[in-house]
Amino acid sequence: NAGVMQNPRHLVRRRGQEARLRCSPMKGHSHVYWYRQLPEEGLKFMVYLQKENIIDESGMPKERFSAEFPKEGPSILRIQQVVRGDSAAYFCASSPGLAGVNEQFFGPGTRLTVL
Amino acid sequence: DAKTTQPPSMDCAEGRAANLPCNHSTISGNEYVYWYRQIHSQGPQYIIHGLKNNETNEMASLIITEDRKSSTLILPHATLRDTAVYYCIVRALRLRGSYIPTFGRGTSLIVHP
Repeated sequence: NAGVMQNPRHLVRRRGQEARLRCSPMKGHSHVYWYRQLPEEGLKFMVYLQKENIIDESGMPKERFSAEFPKEGPSILRIQQVVRGDSAAYFCASSPGLAGVNEQFFGPGTRLTVL
Repeated sequence: DAKTTQPPSMDCAEGRAANLPCNHSTISGNEYVYWYRQIHSQGPQYIIHGLKNNETNEMASLIITEDRKSSTLILPHATLRDTAVYYCIVRALRLRGSYIPTFGRGTSLIVHP
């Protein structure tokens, strides 16, 4: 039973390029969460999705960031026109049901570096 | 979500019990207490959670006070591999069924030989 998978593990982009981060939840999990962790800081919630639906995106920057979790395939976090301040570790988590009564399982993260 | 307060850092000798405190004085009746840890550069790892009763699993024990305003995570025999940042999180049902687990700064636990 594979855990949460994220790819790529490391991503380097130049300013102005697009970054696409992928997350495959654990088998049977339909709830996906994205977090961002800046260097030396804690994890900040970004967005919570269920299949084909964004449930809560209150932590997502209003511009340049988008997320999706299609019916088939992984969840995608997309960052357009990246800037240096986007450099961070991006973690995905999944849970079998609502996270308040189910633990979250985290992936290994994608480390984005913007040059 | 109730706010949590944890000491920024602690240290513990290998083989000894590590007791990590967490204050959550504004917790409400339907809010669970969760503990996660993050070993350097890795994704957070679930440890344990509880509502009212004390809980124990293969990793740790969770002691919740009777008034639920604080809790303690106990690693009974700490090893060097337990060196990590430990997060105490309290969460509750929000509108539209969305839970927003809030990770604060946590406690940086250093286990030394």
